[in-house]
Amino acid sequence: QKEVEQDPGPLSVPEGAIVSLNCTYSNSAFQYFMWYRQYSRKGPELLMYTYSSGNKEDGRFTAQVDKSSKYISLFIRDSQPSDSATYLCAMSLDQTGANNLFFGTGTRLTVIP
Amino acid sequence: KAGVTQTPRYLIKTRGQQVTLSCSPISGHRSVSWYQQTPGQGLQFLFEYFSETQRNKGNFPGRFSGRQFSNSRSEMNVSTLELGDSALYLCASSGGGGAETQYFGPGTRLLVL
Repeated sequence: QKEVEQDPGPLSVPEGAIVSLNCTYSNSAFQYFMWYRQYSRKGPELLMYTYSSGNKEDGRFTAQVDKSSKYISLFIRDSQPSDSATYLCAMSLDQTGANNLFFGTGTRLTVIP
Repeated sequence: KAGVTQTPRYLIKTRGQQVTLSCSPISGHRSVSWYQQTPGQGLQFLFEYFSETQRNKGNFPGRFSGRQFSNSRSEMNVSTLELGDSALYLCASSGGGGAETQYFGPGTRLLVL
């Protein structure tokens, strides 16, 4: 079983829709949770970063962590064509280094104008 | 400030050959990490360098090696290429802090025939 599971999609939604992206994980010791956005032919860029359980909002993006269910979500409100990208979840045990960062395989999202 | 740059952007090699990829971090960043990204496995950590020393290493065979120079530029080398080495190789640099402070380059896409 992989440490982090993510539905690869692809996911297509009309412009303005609410998008829900999800990841599950198996290691209850994960404490730091991240979402990255990766455009075609680009490297991932950090979108959201949360510690432990709870919600974090940044503009149209909301990250949600449910440690009891080992489940994290990213919600995108009023989705735009510019949101079309692959979204990667990632999580780590601590902040000591990149070797402790575990990624999902990514969900490809297309927002149709 | 210029971002992380990687060269070359695309490479085609044949089985058994070796390849060297280069990464120039953001100015002032001393930590460089390398990842392999494939559709099935997602991003997998290869190794991390800090001040010319390998600080962490992932679970990859010894055919994968790297180094970092005094100007923080880094190279990774893959010897005796296998078909399964076809992937996007990403480099990320950090100026300190946890893995969430990393900035990724655009990657080098390697195709092994």
